[in-house]
Amino acid sequence: DADVTQTPRNRITKTGKRIMLECSQTKGHDRMYWYRQDPGLGLRLIYYSFDVKDINKGEISDGYSVSRQAQAKFSLSLESAIPNQTALYFCATSALTNTGELFFGEGSRLTVL
Amino acid sequence: AQSVAQPEDQVNVAEGNPLTVKCTYSVSGNPYLFWYVQYPNRGLQFLLKYITGDNLVKGSYGFEAEFNKSQTSFHLKKPSALVSDSALYFCAVRVSGSARQLTFGSGTQLTVLP
Repeated sequence: DADVTQTPRNRITKTGKRIMLECSQTKGHDRMYWYRQDPGLGLRLIYYSFDVKDINKGEISDGYSVSRQAQAKFSLSLESAIPNQTALYFCATSALTNTGELFFGEGSRLTVL
Repeated sequence: AQSVAQPEDQVNVAEGNPLTVKCTYSVSGNPYLFWYVQYPNRGLQFLLKYITGDNLVKGSYGFEAEFNKSQTSFHLKKPSALVSDSALYFCAVRVSGSARQLTFGSGTQLTVLP
């Protein structure tokens, strides 16, 4: 089983719908992240969390919200999806150190029509 | 502030030839530098990092990178490319002692031709 698991892997939805992307990890890491990947733009940070009671905005948090339900679970919500939120979304984890590398899930491809 | 640039969207190299994927950075402070690789339909995988010490860093799959402070560069290299090295490569940077998280480059698509 993957260390970082994202569900769903693919989702097509309509403008205005609420969408939740879920992430769970078995690495025992405290830090979890949500990134968005768009062609030619690389990865951009949406939200991150250093523990269950800690939530921080990234560079592109508008239109998104997150919930850290447990150390191992971090979900991303789009309250009212719009077409420019069509992208590949990645969850990642890291150990409790600023020099630690990120461990990524397989990605969730979201299409908003 | 921190930013990273990957000046080449696409790099093509013949199998067996050396490869270089370029990365330059801009930070106000000491950088932590990373390379990640993304294979089709997969998440990113860590390749190597520079934190401090020796400017030449060796990583997974035979890759290495050289930290050059005067040129603010951290180019990824491999002496002999394999077709299986074909993937999307990302450079990333963060500033030592900063609360700001990693900033990723736009990515370079490496294609190794048989």
